[in-house]
Amino acid sequence: AQKITQTQPGMFVQEKEAVTLDCTYDTSDPSYGLFWYKQPSSGEMIFLIYQGSYDQQNATEGRYSLNFQKARKSANLVISASQLGDSAMYFCAMREGYGGATNKLIFGTGTLLAVQP
Amino acid sequence: AAGVIQSPRHLIKEKRETATLKCYPIPRHDTVYWYQQGPGQDPQFLISFYEKMQSDKGSIPDRFSAQQFSDYHSELNMSSLELGDSALYFCASSIGENYGYTFGSGTRLTVV
Repeated sequence: AQKITQTQPGMFVQEKEAVTLDCTYDTSDPSYGLFWYKQPSSGEMIFLIYQGSYDQQNATEGRYSLNFQKARKSANLVISASQLGDSAMYFCAMREGYGGATNKLIFGTGTLLAVQP
Repeated sequence: AAGVIQSPRHLIKEKRETATLKCYPIPRHDTVYWYQQGPGQDPQFLISFYEKMQSDKGSIPDRFSAQQFSDYHSELNMSSLELGDSALYFCASSIGENYGYTFGSGTRLTVV
C-alpha cells in the first residue's frame, strides 16, 4: 500500500497567489516525521519544511507552511505569494519512527507546480 | 556551510560496465542514505549506513553494493550495468538526533 499519496500530478498557479499541494500518508507508527522537498529542473533535492507527529503547531518556514491534520493523516504544503522560481517538482516524504538515524524517507510521487506570470 | 558532496555529477557508461559513485556526507553526520530516482519517478531508497555499518536495505539490486568508510564517505558500486539503471542517484546524510536529511546534488548516470 502506498504510504505517501500525492494526488495532484501537476498544478498551475498565478504568480503572487497562494497554492496548496496535497499529501496524505499512511502509518500505524505513532511517531513519524513529514517532510516536503522541492526539486527544480536542475535535479537537486531542496528541503523545505518538517512536521513531527507530536508537534502541536503547524510548521512554517517563510512562505511555506504545512497544514497538518493528524486525524485525517494529511500534511498539505501551502506556498504563499507564489514566485516564478517556485516552479518545480514537490515531493512529500515520511520518516517512520522517532529520532532514529537509520530511518529512511519514503517519498510520494510528487506534484509538478508551474507558476504562471 | 558544508553540504553533501557527490561525485561525479554526470557519468556515462556502456551496458555491462561498472560504475562507482561517491558520497561525502556533512561533517559529523553519522548516517548516509542512497536513493535512486528514475526519469519522472520519485526517489527510491536503496541502502543506508549508520556509523559505517549497513543499517537498512531497500530495493537495491544484487549487482549493486555499497559501503561506508572510516572517514564516513560512502561509495555505491554498480556492476553489469543495464539500460534501466539510468537514473539520478542521490546520497543524503543525517545526524542521530537531528530530524533533517540533507541531500547531495546527485549523480546522473546514463547507461548506453
